[in-house]
Amino acid sequence: SQTIHQWPATLVQPVGSPLSLECTVEGTSNPNLYWYRQAAGRGLQLLFYSVGIGQISSEVPQNLSASRPQDRQFILSSKKLLLSDSGFYLCAWSLSTDTQYFGPGTRLTVL
Amino acid sequence: SQKIEQNSEALNIQEGKTATLTCNYTNYSPAYLQWYRQDPGRGPVFLLLIRENEKEKRKERLKVTFDTTLKQSLFHITASQPADSATYLCAPGAGSYQLTFGKGTKLSVIP
Repeated sequence: SQTIHQWPATLVQPVGSPLSLECTVEGTSNPNLYWYRQAAGRGLQLLFYSVGIGQISSEVPQNLSASRPQDRQFILSSKKLLLSDSGFYLCAWSLSTDTQYFGPGTRLTVL
Repeated sequence: SQKIEQNSEALNIQEGKTATLTCNYTNYSPAYLQWYRQDPGRGPVFLLLIRENEKEKRKERLKVTFDTTLKQSLFHITASQPADSATYLCAPGAGSYQLTFGKGTKLSVIP
């Protein structure tokens, strides 16, 4: 069966510091991968998605970036965090364009 | 622009009753609509997908309807239990990688 991992589970970072969140999927090949952010009281916002290694599509202009160095690895990064980057970050995978399967999430607090 | 509205931010219901959640969409022609469940501090979990040519779909105590004329989906939980308390998200889709989620309805089932 397929599983998705995200780490860390929680993170507290100062403004201006770098960020690296990692997501890995097991039990499937060539998945579509997604990064979402869920801010308090707001819905899920799609940040990036990837349909293959090295292929990244950005949905929202921001100071975040994503990379997919391996088939089942998706990384979310920032060079300098802003207060507004605080939120719940979710990675998801799918094999088609419909059902997505989400990871446990990373709670990021920027102080 | 595309818009998704879920009937209310919060819904309280007595245990044993049927909970009905509404998802309305505008400026959309979805080929299918999905419902997800999200518990606090967790990622969403896929529940059901209903396609545009299906009027109704059932899974155990869950029932989903899809009316493309009204641009609406109804999500029912029969014989509700306290364990059903969670936030429920709808997500209309049309074959694109960019899946847009509603903000969700927080359901509380009171014993």
